Formats: sequence, C-alpha cells, structure tokens
Amino acid sequence: RKEVEQDPGPFNVPEGATVAFNCTYSNSASQSFFWYRQDCRKEPKLLMSVYSSGNEDGRFTAQLNRASQYISLLIRDSKLSDSATYLCVVSTGGYSTLTFGKGTMLLVSP
Amino acid sequence: GAVVSQHPSWVICKSGTSVKIECRSLDFQATTMFWYRQFPKQSLMLMATSNEGSKATYEQGVEKDKFLINHASLTLSTLTVTSAHPEDSSFYICSAINSGRTGEQFFGPGTRLTVL
Repeated sequence: RKEVEQDPGPFNVPEGATVAFNCTYSNSASQSFFWYRQDCRKEPKLLMSVYSSGNEDGRFTAQLNRASQYISLLIRDSKLSDSATYLCVVSTGGYSTLTFGKGTMLLVSP
Repeated sequence: GAVVSQHPSWVICKSGTSVKIECRSLDFQATTMFWYRQFPKQSLMLMATSNEGSKATYEQGVEKDKFLINHASLTLSTLTVTSAHPEDSSFYICSAINSGRTGEQFFGPGTRLTVL
C-alpha cells in the first residue's frame, strides 16, 4: 500500500464549479498534513496546512479525519488559474520528512 | 516567503558524464536542505537530507556514491550525479528549511536533467 494515495485525475471542471479532492495516508503516526500545488514543470508550493478542526483559506477548505486517515481539499468557485496538480503531503513531524502523494490534476475550463 | 534557487534549471548531458546541481537559499540560512527526484507523473521522492557541515543522510535505495551531496555552507548544497545514465533523467528539486522561522520547507525551482 502506498503511503499517500490520491486519485490522479484529471478532474475537468468549468469555471465557477466546486471540486473536491481526497487523499488517504497509511502511516498512523503522521502528525502534520498539507496540501501543495504544483504547476507543470515547476516546484511544489505550499497551499495550506490541514488541521484536525478543519480550516479555510478563501475559496479553499481542508479537512482531516484522523480516524479514517483521510484528508480532503474543497475548492469553491474554481478559477482558470486553479488548474494545476494538487499534492497531498504528510509528515511524522512538522515540515521535515515530507511524504508526497502523486497528486491530483485539476483542469478548469472557460 | 523565503527564496531558494537552483542552477542550472535544465541540463542535457551524455551518458557517463557527471552533472553538478546547486541549491542556494538566497535570503536565509538553511542548516538542513533536502534533495528530491520526480519522474513524470510520479510523486516527489526524497533522495537525501543534507545537513551543513556533516554527511548527508540517504534514503533507502539511493546510492550515495552515485549521488554526491555537499553542504559546505549555510546557504549552499550541491548534488552531483556521477556517471549519469539515461535512467537518471528526471526532475531534481531541492528544498531548504528556514530554521529561523517555522521550519517550513521552501522549494527551489527544480533542475530538469536529460541524459542522452
């Protein structure tokens, strides 16, 4: 079983749509959780950390379910500029020793 | 956010040659840097952890004699791919931890290596 699993997509959605990505992780000792965004042929960039209570940053909402070892990312009112690959990332401690999922590709069309 | 640079951004070389990639933290000191490799449509895989002034820690399956890492200063780590072969062609990304702040990893823009 892979450590971090994501649906690779692509998810094709029109502008303005709401889209949700899911991720599962296998290491129950994982303590920190993140969503990164990676554009084609670019480095990953931190989108947001994920907290147990759930957290929101503008159009983005992240949820964590420790019991099910499941993380989600919801994007509302999709923009063309949201087109990218979204990486689910977990760590057993803070920001170091990050384990990346393969990513879910999102394509937002006009 | 903190800035990390990599040089070169892309390189094409012949099989059997060695290639050096530099990773620099431009506006902060990084006692720890990481080297990742990403094959097409695959996840970033950690290759090694580079600590300033000490030997790098390699992940299982990564040959330390093939991927030489040097972290001689608080702002520079280098990865040398020795005797490169076509299967080494990949996207190599470094990251650095800003130890003075939250410990967040900041990623360099990556180096695309193609070995002919």
